[in-house]
Amino acid sequence: EIVMTQSPATLSVSPGERATLSCRASQSVSSNLAWYQQKPGQAPRLLIYGASTRATGIPARFSGSGSGTEFTLTISSLQSEDFAVYYCQQYNNWPVTFGQGTKLEIK
Amino acid sequence: QITLKESGPTLVKPTQTLTLTCTFSGFSLSTSGVGVGWIRQPPGKALEWLALIYWDDDKRYSPSLKSRLTITKDTSKNQVVLTMTNMDPVDTATYYCAHVAAAGPFDYWGQGTLVTVSS
Repeated sequence: EIVMTQSPATLSVSPGERATLSCRASQSVSSNLAWYQQKPGQAPRLLIYGASTRATGIPARFSGSGSGTEFTLTISSLQSEDFAVYYCQQYNNWPVTFGQGTKLEIK
Repeated sequence: QITLKESGPTLVKPTQTLTLTCTFSGFSLSTSGVGVGWIRQPPGKALEWLALIYWDDDKRYSPSLKSRLTITKDTSKNQVVLTMTNMDPVDTATYYCAHVAAAGPFDYWGQGTLVTVSS
């Protein structure tokens, strides 16, 4: 089973600043990596798939990069609605696996 | 548009079997490449994938839970059913169903249903 490790566990950033979230896979997942955003009491929402492709309706301030084992989600200028928990997920191998999440909080 | 909704009991007793139904619209499970998966999330914890069924009845299970899970589909009713046997308090979680296209990510999710396991 591929283990997905996200860092940091919590990230404190001020509105308008840039946030960078990391996800590492225990073995290569090629570009089969997705990012999700989850707000309290809501289901996860797909942000990025294929490591760098934004899902439908996702603002351009969200961008993804990386391949193999190292991935990054960048939010270029944080808006109030961006403060949430973010999960990465690999779908290259069975079982598909999620990271433990990064909580993005207001500084 | 694609929508999914989970239904089932909110409370089950330890050792009982949980049966959850995902009712969906906006797509067909007879379309090539389409799948529906189940993911759960204990309160305050991370997401955990459980099972997935594809249009051609290919089924995948989490290795750690495989002995307890069964996933089936009813294409005519637009439903996917997940059963989990021998429920334990540690299985208390919000259970989500989600749409998958062509072995990709979970692109559409249901609202989730909280299942509590307690005597």
